[in-house]
Amino acid sequence: GQQVMQIPQYQHVQEGEDFTTYCNSSTTLSNIQWYKQRPGGHPVFLIQLVKSGEVKKQKRLTFQFGEAKKNSSLHITATQTTDVGTYFCAGPLLNGGSQGNLIFGKGTKLSVKP
Amino acid sequence: GAGVSQSPSNKVTEKGKDVELRCDPISGHTALYWYRQSLGQGLEFLIYFQGNSAPDKSGLPSDRFSAERTGGSVSTLTIQRTQQEDSAVYLCASSLAGPVTGELFFGEGSRLTVL
Repeated sequence: GQQVMQIPQYQHVQEGEDFTTYCNSSTTLSNIQWYKQRPGGHPVFLIQLVKSGEVKKQKRLTFQFGEAKKNSSLHITATQTTDVGTYFCAGPLLNGGSQGNLIFGKGTKLSVKP
Repeated sequence: GAGVSQSPSNKVTEKGKDVELRCDPISGHTALYWYRQSLGQGLEFLIYFQGNSAPDKSGLPSDRFSAERTGGSVSTLTIQRTQQEDSAVYLCASSLAGPVTGELFFGEGSRLTVL
């Protein structure tokens, strides 16, 4: 079945280092969304990418959508302790030809050592 | 309300009992999702409602799980004859449209503990 895979599962960095998480789908996605979940919190939407090869930036965060629309990445430059949390990618599951539910990757848990 | 509201926030029950979890989505949001998140794990899809369409129940782990959405608004997730492996945080989310155009807004979740 359709899967969304995310690596790495965990990442420990020193404050100031960069961080990247990768998301791969077994099928072409119409769009991909990224969420951040702080410890003890609920997932919060970060961004949605729709176009092939799209790159979007939010301050120190850079999001990319692959040309084939099957992979995506989130890169954080110069991590800060406020970046701690789990980052999830999510893509819509094609169900009977129409957009169905949103499938989440297992997430990358980022810890930042001050 | 301004956000997705879930109740109860915490529920402790005994094995074999039934539980009901409620989700009140953002007004006007046509899409409603239920996910389950075990401790330190990812989000496991359970069920998806979109407008008046038949819900996508493909993620429900067993026939002990069911959900309904009344009047296109409030949703209730029911777990019958709870088991210890049902212990998790149950997250509800709503969206203005399907995932192609809408971000998901999550509630704070209902933490279920089955003793």
